[in-house]
Amino acid sequence: IAGITQAPTSQILAAGRRMTLRCTQDMRHNAMYWYRQDLGLGLRLIHYSNTAGTTGKGEVPDGYSVSRANTDDFPLTLASAVPSQTSVYFCASSAEGGPTDTQYFGPGTRLTVL
Amino acid sequence: GQNIDQPTEMTATEGAIVQINCTYQTSGFNGLFWYQQHAGEAPTFLSYNVLDGLEEKGRFSSFLSRSKGYSYLLLKELQMKDSASYLCAAINSNYQLIWGAGTKLIIKP
Repeated sequence: IAGITQAPTSQILAAGRRMTLRCTQDMRHNAMYWYRQDLGLGLRLIHYSNTAGTTGKGEVPDGYSVSRANTDDFPLTLASAVPSQTSVYFCASSAEGGPTDTQYFGPGTRLTVL
Repeated sequence: GQNIDQPTEMTATEGAIVQINCTYQTSGFNGLFWYQQHAGEAPTFLSYNVLDGLEEKGRFSSFLSRSKGYSYLLLKELQMKDSASYLCAAINSNYQLIWGAGTKLIIKP
């Protein structure tokens, strides 16, 4: 593994189903982030974690939850998916979590909720 | 409110120069990023500016004017591989990253 990996690459999901998007990094970065990217809009932060064991809410957290049990993994869970959660989801990490740190992004998960 | 404005799409010719503008209105300011994103791929870091002026990195340069709330990304000697979206993101006084929707740059031969 080099950098950040995300799984699955894409998924079609029925509304109401539970789904976990996986994210793993091997750079030993302290901070990790989940964004969604929708056409015509900027990246929007869903949740973040500045270090293992801590998480925080971003701009659009409703309907999503995260956990950070260790440094490497930062899964994003949709408890009961809705069509408005159709989007491309990017996981990112940065070394220390400072706002001026460069963020490194995973390849993304394209999620369609029907 | 907080807002980042970028043109939606621009077209340029291979070998030419293009300037992609970004204006920001944020509550406070602590720096500005430019990222490149090829279609279907992840954003990748290009530059970070916090002081006024021009920073050059090879074919790419980034400029910032804090007093005008304005930045631009200058791409020289355009190559076909430069066809991508370019994302501008500003850091506000709460140290939150505010992202623009991106400018899609189309390079024609």
